[in-house]
Amino acid sequence: GAVVSQHPSRVICKSGTSVKIECRSLDFQATTMFWYRQFPKQSLMLMATSNEGSKATYEQGVEKDKFLINHASLTLSTLTVTSAHPEDSSFYICSAIRRDGYNEQFFGPGTRLTVL
Amino acid sequence: GQNIDQPTEMTATEGAIVQINCTYQTSGFNGLFWYQQHAGEAPTFLSYNVLDGLEEKGRFSSFLSRSKGYSYLLLKELQMKDSASYLCAVMDSNYQLIWGAGTKLIIKP
Repeated sequence: GAVVSQHPSRVICKSGTSVKIECRSLDFQATTMFWYRQFPKQSLMLMATSNEGSKATYEQGVEKDKFLINHASLTLSTLTVTSAHPEDSSFYICSAIRRDGYNEQFFGPGTRLTVL
Repeated sequence: GQNIDQPTEMTATEGAIVQINCTYQTSGFNGLFWYQQHAGEAPTFLSYNVLDGLEEKGRFSSFLSRSKGYSYLLLKELQMKDSASYLCAVMDSNYQLIWGAGTKLIIKP
């Protein structure tokens, strides 16, 4: 199956700092990537849809100036959490659609963000 | 609005069979997915249904009835490693996934 990687897998930072998370599709081209956030014992919540070469589409309630998404190539999307606060601590997961399949989403392993 | 309903938690015995139901109301339908998610990990794909009927894949089977807005995931010969959350998701007319809250499956010896 297709492989999606995320880096870093775990990050701890101080309040007020910015954190960048990378999402890569390793063996396929992904024109669309999704960023999710998952709080403990809750379902995945879609934050934004990232299309290569265009601005990301954010879900209602997600601050686009706080969660900066860049999808510069067909294999890489980045999520930057700017001026992170403890309430931003969460599990961030990216996924990518492989267009030559049946729109199956392949998930990255996730990034655990802890803001102190 | 769009809505996916599935039970919050289920308990079953090792070696038994369990059925996890999912009902949905979405704007358009481009398929229903089941994912398995172990605690602290990303979801992994289990099955995809876009036509009515039963899809079997080893110990796991998934059923869809589009007219009823209903699906179930059937797990046979349960193993302890099957303890996880099972997420039902529907792809709507915009090709976005609408997620259920997940069903936590607890397997007892």
